[in-house]
Amino acid sequence: EVQLAESGGGLVRPGGSLRLSCVTSGLNFSNTEMNWVRQAPGKGLEWVSSISESGQKKYYATSMGGRFAISRDNAKNSVYLQMNSLRVEDTAVYFCATFGRLEYFQSWGQGTLVIVSS
Amino acid sequence: DIQMTQSPSTLSASLGDTVTITCRASQDIDVWVAWYQQKPGKAPKLLIYRASRLETGVPSRFSGSGSGTRFILTINSLQPDDFATYYCQQYNNYLALTFGEGTKVEI
Repeated sequence: EVQLAESGGGLVRPGGSLRLSCVTSGLNFSNTEMNWVRQAPGKGLEWVSSISESGQKKYYATSMGGRFAISRDNAKNSVYLQMNSLRVEDTAVYFCATFGRLEYFQSWGQGTLVIVSS
Repeated sequence: DIQMTQSPSTLSASLGDTVTITCRASQDIDVWVAWYQQKPGKAPKLLIYRASRLETGVPSRFSGSGSGTRFILTINSLQPDDFATYYCQQYNNYLALTFGEGTKVEI
């Protein structure tokens, strides 16, 4: 069974930074593209970022404005999201997710809540 | 980015009903649409991919159709477990994956 578990969320001041982690099990992690998707309170889903199996290719939603950086450690079966210059509008639950055979999201973690507030 | 417009935003239905949710894309996306179900406080769950292919383990009362710019999710014989919010997602443009705004199915 594929399991994804996010951590690292919390309360941070505007302009601050936070690093989210997602540890996985039950999948061939080093052969799996990984993603972050977020959901603001009471709102819809928003794709944030994707990283290739090797970590060499990284993609970001333009709305993230170059403030986020995705990375992975295949030895630890983990993917990370470094979030800098956080804004109030970044407040959301952040999910990590795998792709299926193409770029739809097949397996999801339970999410970690990030609150950006002064 | 490709815009995905879902309708209705809220749908009231009864047990046993057949309901349909529509998703329109702002440009032709062939069949590259997925549908998800989300319950409050939970992660989304993949139901349908490639517009009409049922994910393993998803009940057959769920079905998807469409191509190009118009896509439909149909739920036959609505069950208590089906009251949730549903999202479409396009993956025609890998560098800009986008979701619809969601449709809440309520009693």
